[in-house]
Amino acid sequence: EAGVAQSPRYKIIEKRQSVAFWCNPISGHATLYWYQQILGQGPKLLIQFQNNGVVDDSQLPKDRFSAERLKGVDSTLKIQPAKLEDSAVYLCASSSIRTVNTEAFFGQGTRLTVV
Amino acid sequence: GDSVTQMEGPVTLSEEAFLTINCTYTATGYPSLFWYVQYPGEGLQLLLKATKADDKGSNKGFEATYRKETTSFHLEKGSVQVSDSAVYFCALSESGTGRRALTFGSGTRLQVQP
Repeated sequence: EAGVAQSPRYKIIEKRQSVAFWCNPISGHATLYWYQQILGQGPKLLIQFQNNGVVDDSQLPKDRFSAERLKGVDSTLKIQPAKLEDSAVYLCASSSIRTVNTEAFFGQGTRLTVV
Repeated sequence: GDSVTQMEGPVTLSEEAFLTINCTYTATGYPSLFWYVQYPGEGLQLLLKATKADDKGSNKGFEATYRKETTSFHLEKGSVQVSDSAVYFCALSESGTGRRALTFGSGTRLQVQP
């Protein structure tokens, strides 16, 4: 079974530029998450989708971050314009809704450096 | 809101030593509890989980017991190996609300020396 795929693996941009990350979840997983992991901290949820609807985006900085999940499969996360403090690893995860308390499977992440 | 507190690292142990990584949580409901591990250069992987009070999760020699009375989920292993060197994250999920997203602790780096 293929895991969660993310691209790119690494990205370096200047502040005020824009950037987009892509995620392809495990086939059949209805729930998709984007997390931000700043160096030395645990991952923090940015947004949760169920199919193509948003379940929770309360911690997404909506003035600069946006995310979409068209057709309930792939997802993109965009930052525009980027700030220095956005330097972090952006993790995508997916899980099934068929059972309660099912685990989330994580991709390897995209490491973003804003200079 | 929900939160998870882990002991700070790094934790440095010799091979075959006993490991404990403390984790306590604050939650409004009855969360499920998880330990995730991040090996160097790899993504987060589920290590073990427990979904209700007094449940014990176990995997690869690691164990953790869901203690509701002390709101704790400490990770233990009787004899660590060099290959256990990684960052360990305690996390909870309030799955009963439908939200299901994980709230993570800050992580504890374990270094095991031969």
